[in-house]
Formats: sequence, C-alpha cells, structure tokens
Amino acid sequence: AQSVTQLDSQVPVFEEAPVELRCNYSSSVSVYLFWYVQYPNQGLQLLLKYLSGSTLVESINGFEAEFNKSQTSFHLRKPSVHISDTAEYFCAVLVSGGGADGLTFGKGTHLIIQP
Amino acid sequence: EPEVTQTPSHQVTQMGQEVILRCVPISNHLYFYWYRQILGQKVEFLVSFYNNEISEKSEIFDDQFSVERPDGSNFTLKIRSTKLEDSAMYFCASRKGRSGGSYEQYFGPGTRLTVT
Repeated sequence: AQSVTQLDSQVPVFEEAPVELRCNYSSSVSVYLFWYVQYPNQGLQLLLKYLSGSTLVESINGFEAEFNKSQTSFHLRKPSVHISDTAEYFCAVLVSGGGADGLTFGKGTHLIIQP
Repeated sequence: EPEVTQTPSHQVTQMGQEVILRCVPISNHLYFYWYRQILGQKVEFLVSFYNNEISEKSEIFDDQFSVERPDGSNFTLKIRSTKLEDSAMYFCASRKGRSGGSYEQYFGPGTRLTVT
C-alpha cells in the first residue's frame, strides 16, 4: 500500500516570500503524483500533476513541483506568494498502470500568508 | 468550464436514519468516486465506480454504504443507517478515463453531513 507524508501541518510565510510545501510518499510500485488546493469553504481543486516526462511541473498560478524519484518526494514551491494563496494544500498519489484507482492523500498543509 | 456538482451542500440527519448524497459528474467522464474528509483529518477514498459497477472500495466502505448511477447524469452515495462517526465532508469526483493519460480526478464542492 502507498502512503503520503506531509510533515508540516501549517506553514506561515510573509507575502511575496518564497515557500516550499513538502511531500514524501512511499510505494512499492510506480505512482502518479498530484497537488490539490482547498480554499476556505470550497472543494478540492487540482493544482498540478506529474504523470511522466519532465520531473518539473508547473501550474498556471506560479506554483511548481519537482518529482524526485530517489528521494520519493514531490515538493511544491512558489517563488513569491500572495495573500490569495492562503489555503490547504494536499499532496496525493495514484498507483500507475491500472488497478487501484483511489487517490491516497496526505494530511494537508495549511499555508498561511502574513501581510 | 464543466464542473462536478453536489447536493445538498449541508445535510443534517439523526443517528440511524438513511441519507442519500447526490452528485452530477462532468458529462463525458467515465469514472466516478466518493471520498470523505472528517473534520481536521485527511481526505480518504471510499469507492470508485466504472461501467455501472464498483471497481474499487476501501475498508471504510462497508455494508452500510452503497453507490448507484440511477440515470445518465447522477451518481449517488447512500448511507443506510448513519452513525455519529459518519459526520464528515463527502466529496464526489470524476475522471475522464485512462486513454490519453487522463488520470486527474475533478472534485465537487462537497456535502457536509452532520449526524446528531
């Protein structure tokens, strides 16, 4: 079975500062990786994904994540955060190659942007 | 942009009662899912549904749960006899299909179920 660890439950950061939200996973098979964002009182929105190819993936709002197979990590980064980035961020994995179909989520990291 | 919708947004029920949570997945999607998020905890997979049958379910999805696609648009989750510990946010999700590498799941806004 696979698991996802998000070590930081909360990350406070000042506006316009860089941020990194950490995600590590464990799995005995290949996985696909996702980051979802949950704004207050809303559902989960897909932020970005890694399926194959380039290990660095980017979102339209300035976030990026890098798949590191040797470290089994998929950390999320943004060089300069904005107040509107305040949200809960969830890392998730999906076993690749068919079969198991449900996403396994981490516990989430609450990103708090301070003015 | 098409999105997954869920009704109701909030459901309050008494312990032992049956509830049905409703979802309308994105119209050309083939795979459907239910997840739940107990307050303060991680999002947990319940069940996946494809071609009118359950394709995978978790340990949480016991005999008190059932899913159905009663028509071409709705996807429902029924909890037969609710317990206090069923109180959670329930998310529906859908996915287009595996062809073309479409693995991402799109989530609805959720239904908050409160069991009293």
